[in-house]
Amino acid sequence: GIQVEQSPPDLILQEGANSTLRCNFSDSVNNLQWFHQNPWGQLINLFYIPSGTKQNGRLSATTVATERYSLLYISSSQTTDSGVYFCAVRGGGFKTIFGAGTRLFVKA
Amino acid sequence: EAGVVQSPRYKIIEKKQPVAFWCNPISGHNTLYWYLQNLGQGPELLIRYENEEAVDDSQLPKDRFSAERLKGVDSTLKIQPAELGDSAVYLCASSSTGGSEQFFGPGTRLTVL
Repeated sequence: GIQVEQSPPDLILQEGANSTLRCNFSDSVNNLQWFHQNPWGQLINLFYIPSGTKQNGRLSATTVATERYSLLYISSSQTTDSGVYFCAVRGGGFKTIFGAGTRLFVKA
Repeated sequence: EAGVVQSPRYKIIEKKQPVAFWCNPISGHNTLYWYLQNLGQGPELLIRYENEEAVDDSQLPKDRFSAERLKGVDSTLKIQPAELGDSAVYLCASSSTGGSEQFFGPGTRLTVL
């Protein structure tokens, strides 16, 4: 099956800093989502981005499907950005595979 | 519009007891998913429904786990009997079709003693 690798596994930022999270996948995918899991465990949809670039406020994402990776950019980080960021991909047959996540802590 | 609803939010049981989780998807969503999330890991798909049909249950441990979605709307996931290793968060998600954006419920945190 498809392998999904996220990097870095852990990230500590000072409030106001920028960061880039990466998601690599081993095979062609039909779609890709980025989620933020908050400290209460809720998975919050950030982007549905099988290809191209999208922006939503301080967050943006780019997926280059032909090169099998996606990037999530967080600018001017805030303490409320803390949590775990997951990349999830779907290949043929619509089987969803999640990466192990990037654990982000933003210090005030 | 209401999101995905799950109940209960927390459940503590003793090993060998049965337990059931309930999920109501977003209105109009035909596809429903159950995931298992162990501490420190990403969610893992257990089963996917297209309307009433389970179209992918390859990761469901069928000796003790069962699921149903009788009317193609809400769904129940059952474990009988529960084991210590079943302690985890059970997440339900839905999407309008099998290939579209998924939305998750708050999850049920199960502790087996």
